[in-house]
Amino acid sequence: ETGVTQTPRHLVMGMTNKKSLKCEQHLGHNAMYWYKQSAKKPLELMFVYSLEERVENNSVPSRFSPECPNSSHLFLHLHTLQPEDSALYLCASSQGWRGAYNEQFFGPGTRLTVL
Amino acid sequence: TQLLEQSPQFLSIQEGENLTVYCNSSSVFSSLQWYRQEPGEGPVLLVTVVTGGEVKKLKRLTFQFGDARKDSSLHITAAQPGDTGLYLCAGAPTGNQFYFGTGTSLTVIP
Repeated sequence: ETGVTQTPRHLVMGMTNKKSLKCEQHLGHNAMYWYKQSAKKPLELMFVYSLEERVENNSVPSRFSPECPNSSHLFLHLHTLQPEDSALYLCASSQGWRGAYNEQFFGPGTRLTVL
Repeated sequence: TQLLEQSPQFLSIQEGENLTVYCNSSSVFSSLQWYRQEPGEGPVLLVTVVTGGEVKKLKRLTFQFGDARKDSSLHITAAQPGDTGLYLCAGAPTGNQFYFGTGTSLTVIP
């Protein structure tokens, strides 16, 4: 595997389910991100981890719980979601998380549908 | 309010035509990036600009950063079907977090 991988690619869940999204980066980067992409809305940054420490949490509801066990893996644990949480969830990584030339490498995303 | 507004939101053109898309804000950015996202994939970085008035070229794509570092444009010459995708600008007001724009969805018809 190369780059940034995400599993699963598609997920359908009920509002009472608990599921997890997984992201793995094979680039040796130190920072990882979760974004939410909804129709007609800008890409929304949810969480940033740098060297396994959370450095940004943009007022995300507690029903989304991130976990970064090491610099290569990032999880997003989901529970009691709402239909409006249906979106494409993108993971990204970068060498650092600051700097004008900070390039983020994105995975293909997980398409989440909440029924 | 959106930090970065992109226009147009949708654009459909014939192969061979030229086009320009815009990214505007009332905020000043230390740097600005353009990404392209194809269906079923994540965004891929095209360019980063950091100096007011800076122009960068990438084959048929020309990127310009506004003099006041509040806006940017992307011009594509002789568009090809392979240029089809969602174009996203992203600006970093302080050099830390990048904020993404609303996106321009481009379709190039063969």
